[in-house]
Amino acid sequence: QQQVKQSPQSLIVQKGGISIINCAYENTAFDYFPWYQQFPGKGPALLIAIRPDVSEKKEGRFTISFNKSAKQFSLHIMDSQPGDSATYFCAAMPGYSTLTFGKGTMLLVSP
Amino acid sequence: DTGVSQNPRHKITKRGQNVTFRCDPISEHNRLYWYRQTLGQGPEFLTYFQNEAQLEKSRLLSDRFSAERPKGSFSTLEIQRTEQGDSAMYLCASSPTKSDTQYFGPGTRLTVL
Repeated sequence: QQQVKQSPQSLIVQKGGISIINCAYENTAFDYFPWYQQFPGKGPALLIAIRPDVSEKKEGRFTISFNKSAKQFSLHIMDSQPGDSATYFCAAMPGYSTLTFGKGTMLLVSP
Repeated sequence: DTGVSQNPRHKITKRGQNVTFRCDPISEHNRLYWYRQTLGQGPEFLTYFQNEAQLEKSRLLSDRFSAERPKGSFSTLEIQRTEQGDSAMYLCASSPTKSDTQYFGPGTRLTVL
């Protein structure tokens, strides 16, 4: 059973455009929702995270939108740049525990 | 560099051999996690430690896998009698107690021939 479903699997966006990646979860015990960015050959790096007491969180060009009733959350990357080309993973965690990751989205930002 | 470090970065072994990986967490991080990532997939949880105590193990962690954190600092992950299906990136992460954020190391890529 896949507890965190992520889409799309891959995404191509023009430089300056908006990249949108979506995730859905099933376990209502999840209460922490991070997004990680991973470059080839590197470990995942935390990008931005949200708790369900807020519906949106923005840090620079990155925004998480959270819909608790729909059990969905999404990452928006504004003004996408070629340096943003990477694989993005959503994840979820209940309490201070272990992360359950989505399958990842490979983002390519074309110049 | 004060991040999570992992050694070796790459390991190639033959089927049936034993391998051991090491993870050095960020200093003073009490929690240490092991995840496995196969090609095209997200990381999957294997096990985690609070100081030297192993608190949880995934059912993915077969009896060929063993992890230790003897002094509550670095950790080792050993795989006995490796199989081709063990080929993956093994990621280590650490966090302070009562913190959401897990900081990942660069991983050890295992190839079993």
